[in-house]
Amino acid sequence: IAGITQAPTSQILAAGRRMTLRCTQDMRHNAMYWYRQDLGLGLRLIHYSNTAGTTGKGEVPDGYSVSRANTDDFPLTLASAVPSQTSVYFCASGESGDTGELFFGEGSRLTVL
Amino acid sequence: AQKITQTQPGMFVQEKEAVTLDCTYDTSDQSYGLFWYKQPSSGEMIFLIYQGSYDEQNATEGRYSLNFQKARKSANLVISASQLGDSAMYFCAMTDQAGTALIFGKGTTLSVSS
Repeated sequence: IAGITQAPTSQILAAGRRMTLRCTQDMRHNAMYWYRQDLGLGLRLIHYSNTAGTTGKGEVPDGYSVSRANTDDFPLTLASAVPSQTSVYFCASGESGDTGELFFGEGSRLTVL
Repeated sequence: AQKITQTQPGMFVQEKEAVTLDCTYDTSDQSYGLFWYKQPSSGEMIFLIYQGSYDEQNATEGRYSLNFQKARKSANLVISASQLGDSAMYFCAMTDQAGTALIFGKGTTLSVSS
């Protein structure tokens, strides 16, 4: 049972480089999310998608873009990485609505130097 | 806008004792969901318990219970009979205003000692 798969699990990146974090789910959930986790700040929503073909901005969207070409995949792209984007990134999925728990991937640790 | 507040950065408890992790929230919505997640040192996010705003009974899942006080806008997590494996970061979360995502608190680190 895979659930949500994120790749890479860890990456060191030079500032200014482009980076795509991959996320794939096999639960056929409508909604998918990207969060970043920083010490003392908890998890903050970057972007979300309620269904394939639609995306929306979360609390901290600047410097990030997403796409949702199909139900299963939800990649997060940093067009030109900056050191403040050093973080642990979590992809999550769930059914839309306020009764559904979110299922999380194992996280991608990104360091921008 | 929705907001989750966890005022305890760290909590310490001995094995077999009960512990309460505090969570207060702010919302103008009548319908919302409240969640608790556990994040052990390995990093994964583990769903623990859910409470709907219209649920009259407090949610329970094994050793976890959610002390829901709607008028006070609090959703505290109670862990009974703590175990060493309960040592982790705990996050309180609620559905956002559009019902499209979860808003998380900053977390509480629980340390259980023998």
